[in-house]
Amino acid sequence: QVTLRESGPALVKPTQTLTLTCTFSGFSLSTSGMCVSWIRQPPGKALEWLALIDWDDDKYYSTSLKTRLTISKDTSKNQVVLTMTNMDPVDTATYYCARTSIYSSSWLFDYWGQGTLVTVSS
Amino acid sequence: EIVLTQSPGTLSLSPGERATLSCRASQSVSSSYLAWYQQKPGQAPRLLIYGASSRATGIPDRFSGSGSGTDFTLTISRLEPEDFAVYYCQQSVTFGGGTKVEIK
Repeated sequence: QVTLRESGPALVKPTQTLTLTCTFSGFSLSTSGMCVSWIRQPPGKALEWLALIDWDDDKYYSTSLKTRLTISKDTSKNQVVLTMTNMDPVDTATYYCARTSIYSSSWLFDYWGQGTLVTVSS
Repeated sequence: EIVLTQSPGTLSLSPGERATLSCRASQSVSSSYLAWYQQKPGQAPRLLIYGASSRATGIPDRFSGSGSGTDFTLTISRLEPEDFAVYYCQQSVTFGGGTKVEIK
């Protein structure tokens, strides 16, 4: 059974750095073809993909946010960590981690965590 | 970068009716790359359809996907009460803006 769970602060101040952890089970990030993504959703708005890390430790970032994002993994702990610097109120959103599988040279977000709401406010 | 435009923004239907949701890409995409997700209030999205027309594990057969090139469709043949939700299409790392299916 595949499960993912996001953890991190519910409230951050503007200009601070956000650190989120995704803890997963039911699959291994050392298995070829396995990846984990971070995706966010501002209240009442659409989904926005942020970053992905794959089994080979290759990392991919949203073009518009890449200067602020860092993704990393700890395979032994089954965890993926996302950091986002210089947080702003517009970054207020629910942040999801999702298992990402490769299907025909594309990515599928086939299992999702429940999400964690992060509010940016002073 | 490909843009996905979903229409309509909101679809008001009654249980038992047929729902037809559209996803249009700004340039041609491989059918293999098009997926659909369902999101209910307060929940994470759930994968429904991948490869434009293949149902994910456990998805009822009233859900079907079709299309090619720039135009893709998600059809719900007969709406059940649990189908009222927001639906997103996805290609690679891009999501559409979503279609809300609400009870009329």
